[in-house]
Formats: sequence, structure tokens, C-alpha cells
Amino acid sequence: DAKTTQPNSMESNEEEPVHLPCNHSTISGTDYIHWYRQLPSQGPEYVIHGLTSNVNNRMASLAIAEDRKSSTLILHRATLRDAAVYYCILRDVRTSGSRLTFGEGTQLTVNP
Amino acid sequence: EPEVTQTPSHQVTQMGQEVILRCVPISNHLYFYWYRQILGQKVEFLVSFYNNEISEKSEIFDDQFSVERPDGSNFTLKIRSTKLEDSAMYFCAIDYHPGQGTVSYNSPLHFGNGTRLTVT
Repeated sequence: DAKTTQPNSMESNEEEPVHLPCNHSTISGTDYIHWYRQLPSQGPEYVIHGLTSNVNNRMASLAIAEDRKSSTLILHRATLRDAAVYYCILRDVRTSGSRLTFGEGTQLTVNP
Repeated sequence: EPEVTQTPSHQVTQMGQEVILRCVPISNHLYFYWYRQILGQKVEFLVSFYNNEISEKSEIFDDQFSVERPDGSNFTLKIRSTKLEDSAMYFCAIDYHPGQGTVSYNSPLHFGNGTRLTVT
């Protein structure tokens, strides 16, 4: 599995934007970039995913570098409920049903 | 979004006993997964299941583990003879793509809230 690198932790203030970086320099052309998060005492929760173009949904935006070697998850206005561990994961598009390989992720703290 | 219900929410068992963890997705899905998370550690893949067969499994998923979908609805993970190191949160997941009846490549996964297994 191609690896991703994320900061161990980040801090933000409520109602401010948060930019969570992820490096994936060994990404292959068939890897999708997925983001999940895990709130305390809950299962992982899907946030967003993309291949080459930037993506937006109701939860967040995903900005993908032109060379695809890095990406940034953007939470436009952080709330206390966004405090969680955020995982950046590569998943091969060729293999339907392929596993997600979770790393350590980034622990996001949101200050009131 | 689909709902994935896992039962029980907490299971306490003695070492050497068999446990069955259950997952009930409310809609028909094609791919099912089990993951586990030992306290304070990463979420780890155990097994994926497609069309009533194991599609992929990790090195953790040894002969002590088995999965089945006995009635076309419930999806179960059985641990035959539990060990202390099996204590963990176990998460069931399904492939989900809104608006589509079948899974597409790289459908997001939807996870249940887990079963906490404690082996004493």
C-alpha cells in the first residue's frame, strides 16, 4: 500500500477554517485519496474522497495538488464536534472492495 | 446514509470462549468488512466479504476467525477461542454509494459504532 504522512496533531479555534495536510509522494495513478475521521468512542466516518480534481461536499473540501503527491482536507468553519482523528488513506481504484489501510492520522483539537 | 447496527455493543468473555459479533446493515450491500482497533492503537483491517466469500484477509485473520452471512442479512464475525489480545473494538463496515443499487469502484465505507470485546 502506498503510504501517507500526516502531522500527529493540529489545533484550531471554533468557527475558523482548518487545513489538514497529507503527503503521499508514492501515490500511483490508480489510487484514490480518501479522508475519514473518528470521533471519540465511535467508528470511522467517511468525509470525502477524490482522484485528481478538487472535491466539495457538505462536510468538507478536498484540495489535491497537481502532481497528486499531496492533498489538503479543508474544514471551512470548525466546530467542537469536528474534534476527531482525521485519516488520509489511499485506495486503489482498480480493486473494487479493497481494504482501507489506516495510519495514525491527525488528532484535531478545536478550541472554543 | 445507510445504518449499520452492531450487536452487542459490549461483550465480556473469558479466555478460550467463543464469541460471535453481529452486524446488521439495513440495505442490501455487496461488500462487507470487519476491522478492529485495540485500545490506543490504529484501526486494522481484518477481512472483506463479497458474494458470500472472503475476498481479502489480513495476517491477523487466522484460523481462530471466521465470517459468514447466514441469513442474507446479518453479517457475523466469530472468534473460536478468544485470547486476551483479542480485546478490542470491532467495527463492521459496508461499501456505500448514495443513489446506486450496486457498489462502484471506491465507494466510501460506512462503519458501525463497534462492539467492544473484553477478554478476561
